[in-house]
Amino acid sequence: DAGVIQSPRHEVTEMGQEVTLRCKPISGHNSLFWYRQTMMRGLELLIYFNNNVPIDDSGMPEDRFSAKMPNASFSTLKIQPSEPRDSAVYFCASSLDSSATEAFFGQGTRLTVV
Amino acid sequence: QKEVEQNSGPLSVPEGAIASLNCTYSDRGSQSFFWYRQYSGKSPELIMFIYSNGDKEDGRFTAQLNKASQYVSLLIRDSQPSDSATYLCAVNQDTNAGKSTFGDGTTLTVKP
Repeated sequence: DAGVIQSPRHEVTEMGQEVTLRCKPISGHNSLFWYRQTMMRGLELLIYFNNNVPIDDSGMPEDRFSAKMPNASFSTLKIQPSEPRDSAVYFCASSLDSSATEAFFGQGTRLTVV
Repeated sequence: QKEVEQNSGPLSVPEGAIASLNCTYSDRGSQSFFWYRQYSGKSPELIMFIYSNGDKEDGRFTAQLNKASQYVSLLIRDSQPSDSATYLCAVNQDTNAGKSTFGDGTTLTVKP
């Protein structure tokens, strides 16, 4: 298996633009997580899906952030409009199910908003 | 106070020594505990998880959990330069591996 696949790997955008980050979880995994990592705040859980349904979005920082999982093999995290403080590495992770003992992280998308 | 606290380091040990990484957490109801390794510019990868008080060993790694003291540690025996990385402690309120609160990490350098 290729693991969790994220795209793009790097994104540079101007303030105010819409940004869409994409994630393909490991096949057969039912839980998907979006994390954000910054020097100031560390690694933070943004939202968690189980069986394509958002279970906990309490970590989503603002209404500018939204996430969807239209099917078991694809999820998006959208920021509209983007701001410089959104600059971070965004990780997607997946696990077999909600009681799995291991979550597998994708390689991340490094987002820079100028 | 952060929910999960780690010494940021850097922690420097000579090759072959034991590296000891520590983590404390504030939620007494936490159920599962994870150690991740993250190389610079890479994604976190799971090293170990522990649910019960006591020690859990896996190769050169030993995780230790003391729920009464709200303390979890990771020992790395026979440290190698390839162990140089940032080690993240993650704590969960249930057994869901991905739904974690992470510490800021401890940077470990193993000097040849």
